[in-house]
Amino acid sequence: DAGITQSPRYKITETGRQVTLMCHQTWSHSYMFWYRQDLGHGLRLIYYSAAADITDKGEVPDGYVVSRSKTENFPLTLESATRSQTSVYFCASSGTRGGTQYFGPGTRLTVL
Amino acid sequence: GQQLNQSPQSMFIQEGEDVSMNCTSSSIFNTWLWYKQEPGEGPVLLIALYKAGELTSNGRLTAQFGITRKDSFLNISASIPSDVGIYFCASYSGGGADGLTFGKGTHLIIQP
Repeated sequence: DAGITQSPRYKITETGRQVTLMCHQTWSHSYMFWYRQDLGHGLRLIYYSAAADITDKGEVPDGYVVSRSKTENFPLTLESATRSQTSVYFCASSGTRGGTQYFGPGTRLTVL
Repeated sequence: GQQLNQSPQSMFIQEGEDVSMNCTSSSIFNTWLWYKQEPGEGPVLLIALYKAGELTSNGRLTAQFGITRKDSFLNISASIPSDVGIYFCASYSGGGADGLTFGKGTHLIIQP
């Protein structure tokens, strides 16, 4: 039972490069979310999705793009990475609207 | 956006001591959630509160949903080394499908 997984777990990239962080869940949950965690800010919502092909912006969406062609996958793309996007990124999923969110193990991204 | 003010930021306690942390907001919430995060992992839900005045326990953890719906507290009794981690309060940003708003966390450190 894999649950929710993220890849890669660690990534170092350079300013201006495109980076895609992957999220996969095996529960067929409808709702999926991307958060970033920074010291002094806690976790902040980047994007969320209520179902395949339905996505919407969260609190801090600028510089990020998401897609959801399949229910189980919710990739997050940084089209042109900036140093301010150095962070730990968490994916989460939920089976119901307002239901418990289950978090992945996170991806630590460093932009040089 | 809505903000959750969590305190204290960090706690250094002796094993066996009781712990108390709280979360306040200027906004009214319909749900209060308490998560714990251990190093290298995503947050895990500890307790969920859905009604003003509700008091809920999960083992040595007790949480309450404030009567005004603007605050919540989490108590841990007789702390043990595995309680170490970061504790977050959280609530839903909107109707529930649009992700969670988190407090900045309370870092609990236990000295044996």
